Amino acid sequence: DIQMTQSPSSVSASVGDRVTITCRASQPISSWLAWYQQKPGKAPKLLIYAASSLQSGVPSRFSGSGSGTDFTLTISSLQPEDFATYYCQQANSFPITFGQGTRLEIK
Amino acid sequence: EVQLVESGGGLVQTGGSLKLACAASGFTFSGSAMHWVRQASGKGLEWVGRIRSKTNSYATTYAASVKGRFTVSRDDSKNTAYLQMNSLKTEDTAVYYCVRVTNEDAFDIWGQGTMVTVSS
Repeated sequence: DIQMTQSPSSVSASVGDRVTITCRASQPISSWLAWYQQKPGKAPKLLIYAASSLQSGVPSRFSGSGSGTDFTLTISSLQPEDFATYYCQQANSFPITFGQGTRLEIK
Repeated sequence: EVQLVESGGGLVQTGGSLKLACAASGFTFSGSAMHWVRQASGKGLEWVGRIRSKTNSYATTYAASVKGRFTVSRDDSKNTAYLQMNSLKTEDTAVYYCVRVTNEDAFDIWGQGTMVTVSS
């Protein structure tokens, strides 16, 4: 199985800050990576697919990059509604696996 | 409106069975592969299994943790996917989400989730 490791596990930031979350795959996955945002009590929401493609309706302050084993999700200027937990997910091979999550908290 | 609505969750004893349903609307269900993802309380996301479309012979794939116990199926005439769960264990306790997958194998549509509690 491909292991997905996110860092940090949690981060505190302020409105307007730039935040970067990293996801590392235990073996190369090309660009088969997606990012999700999840708020308490809600289903996850797709933000980025194919490592760097912005899902329709997602604000442009979200961006993704990377290929192979190392990927990043960047939020260019944090907004109050961005405080949530973020997950990466690989779709290169089965079983599909997720990172453990990164909790983004208000400083 | 594109949506998925799960039903069928509840409380069951260890060793018991439960069948979840996922009703789809607003998109061409028959052409979409459908997956199930679960999340234990306070924990991360775990992929459970998937079923492909008729074009792809309704092929199924499962996580090792549920293989042989869970079965994913679908009824395209009812726009509904199912997750049959047998021999349930306490570690199967979670919210179960039905999800649609895109051509890039990303999960773009999620249901609201249905809670399954397995008690000993």
